[in-house]
Amino acid sequence: GQNIDQPTEMTATEGAIVQINCTYQTSGFNGLFWYQQHAGEAPTFLSYNVLDGLEEKGRFSSFLSRSKGYSYLLLKELQMKDSASYLCAVNYGGATNKLIFGTGTLLAVQP
Amino acid sequence: DGGITQSPKYLFRKEGQNVTLSCEQNLNHDAMYWYRQDPGQGLRLIYYSQIVNDFQKGDIAEGYSVSREKKESFPLTVTSAQKNPTAFYLCASSTRKGLAGGPSDIQYFGAGTRLSVL
Repeated sequence: GQNIDQPTEMTATEGAIVQINCTYQTSGFNGLFWYQQHAGEAPTFLSYNVLDGLEEKGRFSSFLSRSKGYSYLLLKELQMKDSASYLCAVNYGGATNKLIFGTGTLLAVQP
Repeated sequence: DGGITQSPKYLFRKEGQNVTLSCEQNLNHDAMYWYRQDPGQGLRLIYYSQIVNDFQKGDIAEGYSVSREKKESFPLTVTSAQKNPTAFYLCASSTRKGLAGGPSDIQYFGAGTRLSVL
């Protein structure tokens, strides 16, 4: 079976750093994706990892360990607009590009 | 501007009625996908299509149907057989060029259609 686990909610302070964890158990692996979703809106792509290690994109970084089935999304210099749900998704379908999504982590950034 | 357009933004379905959700993309993407999002659950795949005139069932295809007659369009019909259709429906697309596990696998989403039952 396919399973992805993320914390349901997190709270952080404006200007701080927050790490959102994601663990997965899937029948295949061809990449892990992070999306941001504001309430009532569509998910927007943030980052992806295929190989182990850290990928950095501005204030956002994502880390992957395939042997541990683990990833995290790191958000630096938090801003109020970062309050959103963060979705972890794994491509387990190979050539079919089928994704399984976690339920999302709702991040609340406080002043 | 290139993107994915879903319409309508809100849709209401009466008992026993079929309704069709539109999804159009001008990104020249080969692959298109339909997801359903319910509160407290992850996105779940309904149908996907990797090429024109071909589509495959996802994890929750019962009560839904699709067509892919044009590369740009992938409409989803919610039939009367779908007994719990109230949800947020999201359409996505990706290029699917090259090897799996790269940038071509990134799925980009439309703004969604919120379907409710009257």
